[in-house]
Amino acid sequence: ELKVEQNPLFLSMQEGKNYTIYCNYSTTSDRLYWYRQDPGKSLESLFVLLSNGAVKQEGRLMASLDTKARLSTLHITAAVHDLSATYFCAGDTSGTYKYIFGTGTRLKVLA
Amino acid sequence: NAGVTQTPKFRILKIGQSMTLQCAQDMNHNYMYWYRQDPGMGLKLIYYSVGAGITDKGEVPNGYNVSRSTTEDFPLRLELAAPSQTSVYFCASSPPGALRDTQYFGPGTRLTVL
Repeated sequence: ELKVEQNPLFLSMQEGKNYTIYCNYSTTSDRLYWYRQDPGKSLESLFVLLSNGAVKQEGRLMASLDTKARLSTLHITAAVHDLSATYFCAGDTSGTYKYIFGTGTRLKVLA
Repeated sequence: NAGVTQTPKFRILKIGQSMTLQCAQDMNHNYMYWYRQDPGMGLKLIYYSVGAGITDKGEVPNGYNVSRSTTEDFPLRLELAAPSQTSVYFCASSPPGALRDTQYFGPGTRLTVL
């Protein structure tokens, strides 16, 4: 059974700093997803990583996938206040459509 | 396009009552999903559907039922509501084929069972 773990659970960082959120998963999952959720709002899809070595970037966020290490990372470059949100990763045991979410990383960027 | 819509936005139920959470999408997506999100937690999949007439259980299906008679609608039925079902419920959909990995979420329904 697929399990997805994120760390850290909470992250407070200064504007302009860099940081990485880690997402580990327990069994084979060659698809990994990242979502953003603002307080009281719904989820927004950020990245879909479909193969080993996949790297995707959007603005100050970059996501990567290492299926051999069962690890995905979300790297934040030169953080700005607008990035404050909760970030979730999710995995999918291939072909089952049964998405398993991590508990989320609550990010707060301080001015 | 309205995208994924959910009604109601908020609801308070008494223990033992029943209700149906509505979800509709106008993007002609094959795949639809129901999740629940407990406070401070990630989402847990309740049920999903890969097309009209086809549904399957997710991670936490107990206490819920679904149906999918049309491509557009995917209602979630709660029978005999319990306090443990207090949560925010999100419906999502995704297109077929190579794009099916991108899920589009509705705004959510906040349900409290007292």
